[in-house]
Amino acid sequence: DAGITQSPRHKVTETGTPVTLRCHQTENHRYMYWYRQDPGHGLRLIHYSYGVKDTDKGEVSDGYSVSRSKTEDFLLTLESATSSQTSVYFCAIRIDSNSNYGYTFGSGTRLTVV
Amino acid sequence: KQEVTQIPAALSVPEGENLVLNCSFTDSAIYNLQWFRQDPGKGLTSLLLIQSSQREQTSGRLNASLDKSSGRSTLYIAASQPGDSATYLCAVYFGNEKLTFGTGTRLTIIP
Repeated sequence: DAGITQSPRHKVTETGTPVTLRCHQTENHRYMYWYRQDPGHGLRLIHYSYGVKDTDKGEVSDGYSVSRSKTEDFLLTLESATSSQTSVYFCAIRIDSNSNYGYTFGSGTRLTVV
Repeated sequence: KQEVTQIPAALSVPEGENLVLNCSFTDSAIYNLQWFRQDPGKGLTSLLLIQSSQREQTSGRLNASLDKSSGRSTLYIAASQPGDSATYLCAVYFGNEKLTFGTGTRLTIIP
């Protein structure tokens, strides 16, 4: 299985503070993603990356930024956390094998903004 | 707009029964479809991946089918067990660099 870890697993932060979540993969997969999961909305894409320093926005990107300076790490930053960003955040990688595009997810980060 | 829908949102069945979970999508030009399982408070576990050229995939008691022309996929679970209780998510790769998810079906197997 592709190794993918997220840190931290849980975080409580105050409104207005910046927060950075980390996603780390142990293999050199090109595509990495950040999703958030909320009741009634399912999983929604925040940002994704298709290579080092190559990123693009998803459907719910406002208030978030990302960076990918190394293939193995994809960082998600909440520039100024708000209560509406309380959610569970999942990182994913796309495994490209013989044109089979399967996805593997991390265990998630539960973020609470108070 | 490319969308994925899962109905019903919740389903309860007695242990031992066979059951079918449904997934529908709006665009038949898909690359693949993936079924995931999610236990409460946990991450997503991939169950089955069906390529657009395939009609079905099987893993143990699970069988997933794909009908692109009608925009539908089903996940069949045979001889259900209490350990099958979880939320099942359907996700479609439309080839636009991202995975689009349904909102899931919460399955409860009654002992």
